[in-house]
Amino acid sequence: EAGVAQSPRYKIIEKRQSVAFWCNPISGHATLYWYQQILGQGPKLLIQFQNNGVVDDSQLPKDRFSAERLKGVDSTLKIQPAKLEDSAVYLCASSGGLREQFFGPGTRLTVL
Amino acid sequence: GIQVEQSPPDLILQEGANSTLRCNFSDSVNNLQWFHQNPWGQLINLFYIPSGTKQNGRLSATTVATERYSLLYISSSQTTDSGVYFCAVERVPDSWGKLQFGAGTQVVVTP
Repeated sequence: EAGVAQSPRYKIIEKRQSVAFWCNPISGHATLYWYQQILGQGPKLLIQFQNNGVVDDSQLPKDRFSAERLKGVDSTLKIQPAKLEDSAVYLCASSGGLREQFFGPGTRLTVL
Repeated sequence: GIQVEQSPPDLILQEGANSTLRCNFSDSVNNLQWFHQNPWGQLINLFYIPSGTKQNGRLSATTVATERYSLLYISSSQTTDSGVYFCAVERVPDSWGKLQFGAGTQVVVTP
């Protein structure tokens, strides 16, 4: 069974530029999550989707971050405009009928 | 929100040694997972263990939900066990799937 796929793996941008990350969850998993992991810390949930609907986006900085999951499968997370403090690893996870979450390899973002 | 505390923050082991990592949490949970983050940043599922005891090879875990803690045991450690171990919990009243992570235990296994 294929795992969670993410791209790109690395991204370097200048501050105030925009960037987008893509995630493809495990086949059949209805729930998809985006996490932000700052160096030296545990991951922090940004947004949770159930199929194509948002369940929880309370920790998403909505003035600059947006996410969508249009057909209930793939998802895109966008940052516009990026700030220096957005430098982090962005992790996508998915879960099926049980609560266990499975994570992708992440996208390491550096904002200069 | 729920507090998740992991100890110790850092651990240096010689290959072949055994160790115990601890996760304390401040509220009732209906999901607890242990992850290993390898040096390349990949989070690997170790255990889904909201209660009880599980074993997988050299690793085992125990969660005592009524006393709000979980333990991860590493036996006969190998250099490939190096990395950061995270405990993550989902608080009972929260929405389904909202995992709160601890700060992690950094493990270094030396040859």
